[in-house]
Amino acid sequence: ETGVTQSPTHLIKTRGQQVTLRCSSQSGHNTVSWYQQALGQGPQFIFQYYREEENGRGNFPPRFSGLQFPNYSSELNVNALELDDSALYLCASSEGQGLEAFFGQGTRLTVV
Amino acid sequence: DQQVKQNSPSLSVQEGRISILNCDYTNSMFDYFLWYKKYPAEGPTFLISISSIKDKNEDGRFTVFLNKSAKHLSLHIVPSQPGDSAVYFCAARGISGSARQLTFGSGTQLTVLP
Repeated sequence: ETGVTQSPTHLIKTRGQQVTLRCSSQSGHNTVSWYQQALGQGPQFIFQYYREEENGRGNFPPRFSGLQFPNYSSELNVNALELDDSALYLCASSEGQGLEAFFGQGTRLTVV
Repeated sequence: DQQVKQNSPSLSVQEGRISILNCDYTNSMFDYFLWYKKYPAEGPTFLISISSIKDKNEDGRFTVFLNKSAKHLSLHIVPSQPGDSAVYFCAARGISGSARQLTFGSGTQLTVLP
């Protein structure tokens, strides 16, 4: 059974650019949630995908978008990057709305 | 507005003693509360949870207490071990659309001294 894996682990982008982060969910998990963790803060919910549909969203602007694929892997896309988008982006997978979510190690995004 | 708060950024405890980590919340609609542990360069890992209708849940050295009237929960680790040194996040599960989302506190860095 493989865990949740995210790629890349680190990334540096310039303000105004676009970025795509990737997440492979744990085997058998059909739900993926994305979180943003700024320095010194707890993770903040961006959105959740269940069976390829977005079924919940936190307080993030539309330039944060995502996809979930038939194999339940997922992408997080951020357009028009801003300096404040610099953070650790975490992906978590679960089975349906199961209580225990399994997190990946995160992607550290730096916007300069 | 911060719906889940961890007011202590850090805590140091001697090995073998009790560690008590605290968390306060403001939203009464949360149905579960969870604790996650995070080591550097790793994602958070689930530790223990408690339903909003319970007041205590125990799992080995870890016990979580929920005081609904005070909107307060705490995690007790007894006895504390050096391997417990990590950042501990309190999280509460709520609803966003059809999703069950977690709202996290800002974390407490626990250091267990040998």
